[in-house]
Amino acid sequence: EIVLTQSPGTLSLSPGERASLSCRASQSVSSSYLAWYQQKPGQAPRLLIYGASSRATGIPDRFSGSGSGTDFSLTISRLEPEDFAVYYCQQYGSSPPLTFGGGTKVEIK
Amino acid sequence: EVQLLESGGGLVQPGGSLRLSCAASGFTFNSYGMTWVRQAPGKGLEWVSAINSDGGYTYYADSVKGRFTISRDNSQNTLDLRITSLRAEDTAVYYCAKGALGSGYVRTALDSWGQGTLVTVSS
Repeated sequence: EIVLTQSPGTLSLSPGERASLSCRASQSVSSSYLAWYQQKPGQAPRLLIYGASSRATGIPDRFSGSGSGTDFSLTISRLEPEDFAVYYCQQYGSSPPLTFGGGTKVEIK
Repeated sequence: EVQLLESGGGLVQPGGSLRLSCAASGFTFNSYGMTWVRQAPGKGLEWVSAINSDGGYTYYADSVKGRFTISRDNSQNTLDLRITSLRAEDTAVYYCAKGALGSGYVRTALDSWGQGTLVTVSS
């Protein structure tokens, strides 16, 4: 089972600032099968990024993903008020279980 | 528009059983793998179980193996999760989610999610 470790646990930033989130895997993620999700309080998660760097339908271009192997990142170029949320990475490159990271909370400073 | 509507959650005693259902619409259900993900109160996401498009392959997290059974009815566009021998640590919101690729496999990102159904295990 691949273990995903997200850091930092909490990121305190102001609107307009740049956010950089990390997701590290315990072993290489095959074919960069890594996704990022956003979850707001009381809501279901929403797919942001798949294949490590491809934006899902309707996702603004201020969200970008990168990385390969064991190190992946999600960058939000300029935080908008609606971007303050919890972000999860998930790998789907290995046989199930298709594990999630523990999440990074992006909060308003 | 893709819609996933979970039902069947509620309060159940430890050791009890429950059946969760997910009604799907807005896409060709029999072309997509489907997944259950849960979230304990105040905690992160946990992958629980998945099933491929024709129901021939099922997968489970170690924490639920032997107690949970995933199934689907492609004629009714429904996904089920039968849960037995419930424990306090199974308390969570259970989400059904659709695979992003129409290949039918489960090894994909999850591009649509229901709003979840809450299961509370308590005496």
